[in-house]
Amino acid sequence: AQSVSQHNHHVILSEAASLELGCNYSYGGTVNLFWYVQYPGQHLQLLLKYFSGDPLVKGIKGFEAEFIKSKFSFNLRKPSVQWSDTAEYFCAVLMDSNYQLIWGAGTKLIIKP
Amino acid sequence: DVKVTQSSRYLVKRTGEKVFLECVQDMDHENMFWYRQDPGLGLRLIYFSYDVKMKEKGDIPEGYSVSREKKERFSLILESASTNQTSMYLCASSQIQGFGYTFGSGTRLTVV
Repeated sequence: AQSVSQHNHHVILSEAASLELGCNYSYGGTVNLFWYVQYPGQHLQLLLKYFSGDPLVKGIKGFEAEFIKSKFSFNLRKPSVQWSDTAEYFCAVLMDSNYQLIWGAGTKLIIKP
Repeated sequence: DVKVTQSSRYLVKRTGEKVFLECVQDMDHENMFWYRQDPGLGLRLIYFSYDVKMKEKGDIPEGYSVSREKKERFSLILESASTNQTSMYLCASSQIQGFGYTFGSGTRLTVV
């Protein structure tokens, strides 16, 4: 079955630490990839997306993600996190088989001031 | 500013009650979605609609129904609420399926 895996349910970092959140999917066809973020008490919003072209995509607030097709991965990175990055992050994959978004379970990121 | 508006932020209902969750979007989007969000499970699709009066089951439709009589409004109905339906419910809309979802703020439903 098609699925999206986020490796960590909870990540705790200190400010200025580097961040990498893993996302893997199980599907051999064409995909479009998304990271969404949900800040405490706010609605889900798009952080960045990959459709085609350069596999390194840049999003808002200094986030970037790299699509590695051979590894079926789309990991989210930020070189130096801030306390305001505390949020839950969701990876989502659109597979061309059914054009429905498949969501990962989410990763709660807590940044210690 | 474009919006998806969910009618209630918090709801408390009794077991067996019929519950209506309302969602309205002002972007003239074709597609609308209802998800439930539970810790450790991410977002699970309940139902979606790709046109007025059209609906499709998602991954977990049991115990739910939906109504889309107008393009801008998509209602989720819990026919007989149960405690295992206590959850955060998210509505979303998009012009093209799978792309550019706009989410509402969510309704946290507690069934007692």
